[in-house]
Amino acid sequence: DAGVTQSPTHLIKTRGQHVTLRCSPISGHKSVSWYQQVLGQGPQFIFQYYEKEERGRGNFPDRFSARQFPNYSSELNVNALLLGDSALYLCASSRDRDLSGNTIYFGEGSWLTVV
Amino acid sequence: LAKTTQPISMDSYEGQEVNITCSHNNIATNDYITWYQQFPSQGPRFIIQGYKTKVTNEVASLFIPADRKSSTLSLPRVSLSDTAVYYCLVDNYGQNFVFGPGTRLSVLP
Repeated sequence: DAGVTQSPTHLIKTRGQHVTLRCSPISGHKSVSWYQQVLGQGPQFIFQYYEKEERGRGNFPDRFSARQFPNYSSELNVNALLLGDSALYLCASSRDRDLSGNTIYFGEGSWLTVV
Repeated sequence: LAKTTQPISMDSYEGQEVNITCSHNNIATNDYITWYQQFPSQGPRFIIQGYKTKVTNEVASLFIPADRKSSTLSLPRVSLSDTAVYYCLVDNYGQNFVFGPGTRLSVLP
């Protein structure tokens, strides 16, 4: 089975532009989470979606938004890009949301560079 | 969400056993302990997960004492390819993990 897949793998944007990152979860997984990882730091939680609804949000500005589609894939959108948005954006999926001991699996990430 | 504390870095030599201990004093009754491995420019990779006592899989063992306030990831006979950052996480439903800086393991020849 394929793991979590993300696209694009690398992209360069200019300050003020908008970016859309895409994620396909592992087959059978209904929950998708997004994390931002700045160089040298651990991943920071951005959003969690389950059954197409936002179920959790980290401490990120409103420029960040996401959605989940009926097939459980997800998009992360970032508007008005800043230099500080340059990071590795990770998508993670899990089978359920409320199952104790739930394990999440990460994709390889999308590298975003803002210039 | 329970916070975790682990060493910032560790060095080891090929063929040695490496033990990385993580403290989680405020772990909740329903929390599980999960360890991830991350190589540069890649997403974190699930290593092992446990609730209590000992868990073993093909790549590692996880030791959890009765009070569950700490856990130890044991990597047997490490190789150069085990050089990575290792994250210890606690959460009950695998949601909204709070990552710390992790432990940077360097395996030397």
